[in-house]
Order: sequence, then C-alpha cells, then structure tokens
Amino acid sequence: EVQLVESGGGLVQPGGSLRLSCAASGFTFSSYDMHWVRQATGKGLEWVSAIGTAGDTYYPGSVKGRFTISRENAKNSLYLQMNSLRAGDTAVYYCARGDETTGGFDYWGQGTLVTVSS
Amino acid sequence: SYELTQPPSVSVSPGQTASITCSGDKLGDKYACWYQQKPGQSPVLVIYQDSKRPSGIPERFSGSNSGNTATLTISGTQAMDEADYYCQAWDSSRGVFGTGTKVTVL
Repeated sequence: EVQLVESGGGLVQPGGSLRLSCAASGFTFSSYDMHWVRQATGKGLEWVSAIGTAGDTYYPGSVKGRFTISRENAKNSLYLQMNSLRAGDTAVYYCARGDETTGGFDYWGQGTLVTVSS
Repeated sequence: SYELTQPPSVSVSPGQTASITCSGDKLGDKYACWYQQKPGQSPVLVIYQDSKRPSGIPERFSGSNSGNTATLTISGTQAMDEADYYCQAWDSSRGVFGTGTKVTVL
C-alpha cells in the first residue's frame, strides 16, 4: 500500500525557516517524480515544487529562491526547505507522487500545517 | 503565468448531470487532470489525460478537453459526489491548478 506521511509543520515567525519531510512507503520511491502542493485554509490548491528522478527541480515564481525541494532515495524521503517565510505561505502542505503514465498526482499524503505568524 | 479558471460553484439535483468547466489558453493542447476533494480530506485523482479514469473511480465520472476548455462531467450525480473539484495541467514543467469548483448536490 502506497503511503506518504508528511511531518515538520508548525508555527514559525515571518522571515523564519522550516523544513518539511515526507516519508514514502509501498512503492519504489526512486522511480517517481515527487511534488509538494499547498492549500491555504478555505482556498484552492497551489503546486509548490517538483523533483524528478534525476534530481531536477522545478518551482513556481511565488516560491523560487526561497524554497528548496530535495530527496534522499536511500531513506525514501522527500524534503522541502522553506526560507524567508511569509504570512502568505501559511497553508497545509501536501506531499504527492507524480505519475508519468497519468501526468497527474496519483497519491497524496494527509498534509502538514505550516503557520507563519508573529 | 498560465492560469486555469473554473466556476466557483455548481449545483445539481441527485441523479442529474453536473458539468464543470476549466478554461485556459490552448488548454486543449495539454493534458488535463481532475481532482475531487472532500472536506478535511486530501485530493483524489478522478480523471487523467483528459478523459481516463483511474482504477476505482466510478464510470459516472468522465472528461473531455478541446480548444480552451476542459470539462468534467458527473452523470447520475450522487450525494457522495458533493465536494470541491480542481482541474490541473502542466505548463513548461510547472503544475497549474484551476481555481476550484464546489459541487453541491441539492
């Protein structure tokens, strides 16, 4: 059974940093692109970052230069290092598996809440 | 940046057909996916590559994509289909989600 379990969320002050983790199991982690998607309370989904099987990374303009996605295949783990956090980054952050066959996100974690506030 | 626009809400009576549109520049040249999200839950992929259903998704969910508009259709809508729905596509290797549509089954 595919499982994605996020951790590392919490309360952080504006300008601060936080590192999210996603523990994957039930599939060959190294063979899949992985993503972070966030959702502010009562708002829509926003794609945050992606990392390919070769370690190539992608970001939208809203987080580029502040967020860094990485993976550690030996530990079946995905990470998101978030720096220079702003109030607008407050959201539930989901880890999601990318499926090249479907072109979509076929498995999602339960999410971890990040709150940026003084 | 690329944008996908959906109607904020759609209402449908049980057993009737609900159609949700997703508009974006030349969206028909890309593949569209659709996700269902119920309150307090993570999104679930219900349509991929415009019109294909993942295993376990009921046949009443179907999709199409042409021109500037992708459409998710729910035939014979059931109360359990009440949820938020999001379209999604890729633009220059970056994911883009639609603005989301709340489907209410009256």
